[in-house]
Amino acid sequence: RKEVEQDPGPFNVPEGATVAFNCTYSNSASQSFFWYRQDCRKEPKLLMSVYSSGNEDGRFTAQLNRASQYISLLIRDSKLSDSATYLCVVNMNSGNTPLVFGKGTRLSVIA
Amino acid sequence: DVKVTQSSRYLVKRTGEKVFLECVQDMDHENMFWYRQDPGLGLRLIYFSYDVKMKEKGDIPEGYSVSREKKERFSLILESASTNQTSMYLCASSPGGNTEAFFGQGTRLTVV
Repeated sequence: RKEVEQDPGPFNVPEGATVAFNCTYSNSASQSFFWYRQDCRKEPKLLMSVYSSGNEDGRFTAQLNRASQYISLLIRDSKLSDSATYLCVVNMNSGNTPLVFGKGTRLSVIA
Repeated sequence: DVKVTQSSRYLVKRTGEKVFLECVQDMDHENMFWYRQDPGLGLRLIYFSYDVKMKEKGDIPEGYSVSREKKERFSLILESASTNQTSMYLCASSPGGNTEAFFGQGTRLTVV
């Protein structure tokens, strides 16, 4: 089983739509979780951290379900500028261990 | 703001050349990482370092080595470049613990 799995997409949605991405992780002892955004030919950048209680930042909401070992990202009222690849990222252990990246989900928001 | 700087955005090298990719961070981070990213394969960890002069192999270390002589600098070395090392190389740093990583702008390396 792959450590961090995501649906690769692409998700093609109209402007204004709500879109949700899910991600599953294999290690139940995983400590921290993130969503990164990567634009074409650019480096990944942190979009938001994911907390057990869930968190919201404007149109973006992240949820963590430890029992089922999945993370979700919800984007409301999609904008053209949301078009990017969204990477699910997990720290499998505490301390100085590298983050494990999913392969990413491509989103295209269409006018 | 955290700044991670990679020495080159684009690089073209010949097969068999020794290639150095340099990465510098300015936030006194303990941890530094080198990834490569290829279409359909995502980010794969080559090497990482959690302290000066320390290094750990990642998932795909073959054909690469690293050097961390100073805390702020982490170099990736391709001892003898091959065409299958054509890729986007991304350096990252993090303070350690359960924190996020910050990436450099990437180096697109082409080996001909």
